[in-house]
Amino acid sequence: NAGVTQTPKFQVLKTGQSMTLQCAQDMNHNSMYWYRQDPGMGLRLIYYSASEGTTDKGEVPNGYNVSRLNKREFSLRLESAAPSQTSVYFCASSEHRANNEKLFFGSGTQLSVL
Amino acid sequence: DQQVKQNSPSLSVQEGRISILNCDYTNSMFDYFLWYKKYPAEGPTFLISISSIKDKNEDGRFTVFLNKSAKHLSLHIVPSQPGDSAVYFCAASRDAYNNNDMRFGAGTRLTVKP
Repeated sequence: NAGVTQTPKFQVLKTGQSMTLQCAQDMNHNSMYWYRQDPGMGLRLIYYSASEGTTDKGEVPNGYNVSRLNKREFSLRLESAAPSQTSVYFCASSEHRANNEKLFFGSGTQLSVL
Repeated sequence: DQQVKQNSPSLSVQEGRISILNCDYTNSMFDYFLWYKKYPAEGPTFLISISSIKDKNEDGRFTVFLNKSAKHLSLHIVPSQPGDSAVYFCAASRDAYNNNDMRFGAGTRLTVKP
């Protein structure tokens, strides 16, 4: 019973490099999300996918792209990494449109951009 | 702008005593409130929630209180246990059916001393 699985757990990039963070959930959830967490700030939503085939911008989408590959998988891509994207990234999923919605999170990816 | 604020970055209590974690919000449209708990190297996990039609919700040792007029909620843990040592995030959204506009506080690190 894995829940939400993120890879990689750690990554160091140089400015300008690209990478994709992978996320998969096995709970048959409709919605998936990408958040970033920075020191002294709460988790902030980057992008979300309310259902398979749809994606929408969240609070801080600039510099990122996403792909909802299928119902299980939702990836986050940094095309040209910048030091400001140094953060801990969390993927999450939820049922969507269920009362008392709550998020199920992966264990996070610590990304450093030098 | 931080719409959800947790003004205490840290809190230390003795085992067996009460822990009170506080959270304030500025957006009067928020209608649904949650607490998440996060251990190191793990993602946040859902702890307890409350909708604005209630002023209290209890689940075992955890109780959340909501004061809508003051735009304030608190999480009470009684009795506190060393295993409760974690970072606690307060979150708020406009309804209980989706997470797309959820805002998180910066977190409070709780340490429960044996």
